[in-house]
Amino acid sequence: DGGITQSPKYLFRKEGQNVTLSCEQNLNHDAMYWYRQDPGQGLRLIYYSQIVNDFQKGDIAEGYSVSREKKESFPLTVTSAQKNPTAFYLCASRRPGRGNTEAFFGQGTRLTVV
Amino acid sequence: KQEVTQIPAALSVPEGENLVLNCSFTDSAIYNLQWFRQDPGKGLTSLLLIQSSQREQTSGRLNASLDKSSGRSTLYIAASQPGDSATYLCAVHFGNEKLTFGTGTRLTIIP
Repeated sequence: DGGITQSPKYLFRKEGQNVTLSCEQNLNHDAMYWYRQDPGQGLRLIYYSQIVNDFQKGDIAEGYSVSREKKESFPLTVTSAQKNPTAFYLCASRRPGRGNTEAFFGQGTRLTVV
Repeated sequence: KQEVTQIPAALSVPEGENLVLNCSFTDSAIYNLQWFRQDPGKGLTSLLLIQSSQREQTSGRLNASLDKSSGRSTLYIAASQPGDSATYLCAVHFGNEKLTFGTGTRLTIIP
């Protein structure tokens, strides 16, 4: 089935560790996105990529890094510089453009600092 | 600043009633608007996308409208069911490559 796969579903991080969240899509979409969701808040954009080997910072990029070496993959690394990483992370993809550019989301990764 | 607002934050209605969820946005120069559903602990499921040239879209019991001039969209749910209980999110594509989200309306359908 076509879609977006995020892994793992749950992730635990110790203080000072870097962790990487996986996002893979087989929808042949050029644009991919990472969002963070905190309780009672909307989704906030961390990073996005419109094409392979290119990506831009979103509204809350500090403490995060990404890569886009393949069209279907957009991993997110939460570094030790991110002081409050406990949150629900969501990955999305869509075709770029102005019209019928429906976005699709994965099932999310819940990251907890222990 | 481009912002999306959803009011109320929570809504409870008896089963069988029709209901309307609201979304407002600050900039009328949008490309499209998308409604999502989110169940607790899950990702977002796309419900409807309305392009800027359209005024409404329908899917089953759902109907979404768009009024760019007033910066508003509504999601109408007919004959509500307990399975409709979820958080509903509105997202606007403002003409860059970002999707800007509202904070959502948590809907509870009372059996």
